[in-house]
Amino acid sequence: NAGVMQNPRHLVRRRGQEARLRCSPMKGHSHVYWYRQLPEEGLKFMVYLQKENIIDESGMPKERFSAEFPKEGPSILRIQQVVRGDSAAYFCASSPGDNYEQYFGPGTRLTVT
Amino acid sequence: LAKTTQPISMDSYEGQEVNITCSHNNIATNDYITWYQQFPSQGPRFIIQGYKTKVTNEVASLFIPADRKSSTLSLPRVSLSDTAVYYCLVGDPPAPNAGNNRKLIWGLGTSLAVNP
Repeated sequence: NAGVMQNPRHLVRRRGQEARLRCSPMKGHSHVYWYRQLPEEGLKFMVYLQKENIIDESGMPKERFSAEFPKEGPSILRIQQVVRGDSAAYFCASSPGDNYEQYFGPGTRLTVT
Repeated sequence: LAKTTQPISMDSYEGQEVNITCSHNNIATNDYITWYQQFPSQGPRFIIQGYKTKVTNEVASLFIPADRKSSTLSLPRVSLSDTAVYYCLVGDPPAPNAGNNRKLIWGLGTSLAVNP
């Protein structure tokens, strides 16, 4: 049973471009969480999704950021018009339910030049 | 959500016991204490969770005094592969490392370096 997979592992974008980060949860997991770890800061929750539903987006910046978890395929975290301050490690975690253990993926390191 | 304070970094040698202390003066009655480990270029991994006294598993022990204002993660006989960042979090999850832990406040953790 493969763990949580994220790709790409490293992503470089110029200011103003779009970044798309993908997360494939563990088999049998229908809950996905996205976190961001800025340099010199702790991990921070961004958004919690179930298949086709956003359950909690209280940690998501109001502009430029969006997330989806379609019925088929991976969850996508999309950042439009990236700025240097978006450079960070973005982690995805999955679980079979909100009251169950979550497992983290290896992260995507986004660098905005 | 209670804030935690940990040492920024620690150094140790292979075979030693390492104790990392976390302060959480504002811990609430319902709060649990959870520790995670994060290797470079990887996501965090749950290590141990406790409420009071002592908890032990195959990886570590967690000591929590009666006032619960601090806790100590104990790693017995560390090896080079234990070099990682260790995070202490405080909150009221109904289950260890549950997805509804998502609102817990993550600090910078303690960067442990194990030397040969």
